[in-house]
Amino acid sequence: QVHLVESGGGVVQPGGSLRLSCAASGFTFHNYGIHWLRQAPGKGLEWVALIWTDGSKTYYADSVRGRFTISRDNSRNTMSLQMNSLGPEDTAVYFCARSTRYHFDYWGQGTLVTVSS
Amino acid sequence: QSALTQPRSVSGSPGQSVTISCIGTSSDVGGYNYVSWYQQHPGKAPKLMICDVSERPSGVPDRFSGSKSGNTASLTISGLQAEDEADYYCCSSAGSSAGSYTWVFGGGTKLTVL
Repeated sequence: QVHLVESGGGVVQPGGSLRLSCAASGFTFHNYGIHWLRQAPGKGLEWVALIWTDGSKTYYADSVRGRFTISRDNSRNTMSLQMNSLGPEDTAVYFCARSTRYHFDYWGQGTLVTVSS
Repeated sequence: QSALTQPRSVSGSPGQSVTISCIGTSSDVGGYNYVSWYQQHPGKAPKLMICDVSERPSGVPDRFSGSKSGNTASLTISGLQAEDEADYYCCSSAGSSAGSYTWVFGGGTKLTVL
């Protein structure tokens, strides 16, 4: 059974940094790309980043490029999102999701990031 | 890429059918068969309901169907049930245009089962 669990969310001051993690189980992790997506409170979904199976390629939404870095450790079935220079607009629930072709077939339950002073 | 356009809300009675539209452009919905639909109940993670415009993943009831015409994709739910009440989001990828990948979502549609 595919399982994705996010962690690392919390409250951070504007300009600060936070590192989110996503632990995967129930599937062959290194065979799948993994995405980060987010959802601001009461708002819709936004794609954030994608990392390929072997970590060789990464892609970012314009809103986070240059501030966020996605990485993965296939030996530990984990993926991370390093978030720097955070602003109030980054406040959201962050989800990791498995990539299958051009859609997201399994999602974690999400972790809340609040950027506030 | 701009967000895809969905109606903010739709409603229907149990047993009826409803259709949710998703309007994009030739750079996303109209240009690729990479439209997917997600169901999200309050406080829960989104769930994939339709991929590649009209494919239903295993376990999704056949009451859910997807289609596309030009720059508009649609999700139709027939035989409405109470548990279908949720938010629905469409999503489109523009594939690997210009060597990059990106995905864009609609603003979401709240389905109310009367």
